[in-house]
Formats: sequence, C-alpha cells, structure tokens
Amino acid sequence: ETGVTQSPTHLIKTRGQQVTLRCSSQSGHNTVSWYQQALGQGPQFIFQYYREEENGRGNFPPRFSGLQFPNYSSELNVNALELDDSALYLCASSLWRLRFQGTDTQYFGPGTRLTVL
Amino acid sequence: QQPVQSPQAVILREGEDAVINCSSSKALYSVHWYRQKHGEAPVFLMILLKGGEQKGHEKISASFNEKKQQSSLYLTASQLSYSGTYFCGTDELTGTASKLTFGTGTRLQVTL
Repeated sequence: ETGVTQSPTHLIKTRGQQVTLRCSSQSGHNTVSWYQQALGQGPQFIFQYYREEENGRGNFPPRFSGLQFPNYSSELNVNALELDDSALYLCASSLWRLRFQGTDTQYFGPGTRLTVL
Repeated sequence: QQPVQSPQAVILREGEDAVINCSSSKALYSVHWYRQKHGEAPVFLMILLKGGEQKGHEKISASFNEKKQQSSLYLTASQLSYSGTYFCGTDELTGTASKLTFGTGTRLQVTL
C-alpha cells in the first residue's frame, strides 16, 4: 500500500507568478483535501475534491484552484502569487463515505514547501 | 473559528504523563488528533466520533465530551519519540465535506 505523495518537495517563485502542486492519494482513497500551513500555525483547509469536483472550500480566494483526476490524484494551482502564500502545502487523502456514517481519517503527504520572493 | 488548545507548550521527562486539551465553540461531529515533527507531515493518532467511538493508536488514549465540545489527549509513560507538535482537528456538523479545522498546536518536548 503506497502512502500519499506530493511533488515537488520545495519550490521558489516570485510574486505574481503561478504555481502547480501535485498530490497522489493513498491506494484505495477517493478524496483529496488541501491545506496551507504557515510557520508555527496549524494547517488551514483550502478545499476538498471528490469525484473530480470541489466538495467544500475554506476561506481562500479564487486564485487558489484545484483539479482531481480519474485516478484520484490532484493538483493545487495558485495564480498571482503573493508573499503571504509562502507556506507548507499539505494534501491529505481519505476514503469518502456517506456523511455521518463514519468520519474519514485523513492521511497527510509530506508537503510542498513554497517560498514566494 | 479555530479550536483552542492548551497548554501551548509542555516539557516532560521520559516516563512522565501529559494531557493536551482541545476546546471548540461549535457543535462537533468528530475530533482528530495528529502529531507533527519539525519539517514533516502530520501523522494521524486518533479519531473520536460523536457517540463515543474511538479509533487510533494503541499507546495513546483520548476523550471527547460532546456536551462541552471538548477533547483531551492522554499521553502516558512518554517516550523521546513523543516529542513534536500535537494538533487537534475538529469536524463540525455542517456541510457535505469532512473539513478539518485545526488548533494552533501544543509543542511537546520529552527529555531524558
């Protein structure tokens, strides 16, 4: 059973640029959630994808967008990068069940460290 | 609004016990606990579900008071490997997505 993987590990961009981060979910999982973790803070929910559609979104602007592919892998895209976007970006995969019939354990990948200069 | 964790930091000697608390102002469906070591991903420890079901680690226990929307994580006979930052993630009774709202974390250091 393979765990959650993310690429790249580290990335340096300049203000105004665009970035794409990738996530492969754990074997058997069909849902991917993305989180942003600033230094010294807890992860903040960006959005979740299930069946290739966005299934819930946190308090992030539209320049944060995502995709999920038929193999359940996912991408996070951030346009017009700002200095405050510098953070660790984590994806977590889980197995979706009917709501309130069992909360899904979310397993995190190693993250992508994004630095915006 | 994110859950509040206490204490913010704790230092233990190996073999000592610790309790980490997590409190939310919102009605919760479940509480998830994770441990994160510096530069690494959060590692799942425990889920506590509304109704009392628990799933998680063998050597770690936790409680969930549904009326008070509070959860506590109990670490007994701590080991050096327990060092790290502990986060609780809360799942509210709204929406269709299991979205976790994380607290600010509790830094735990275990020394010899």
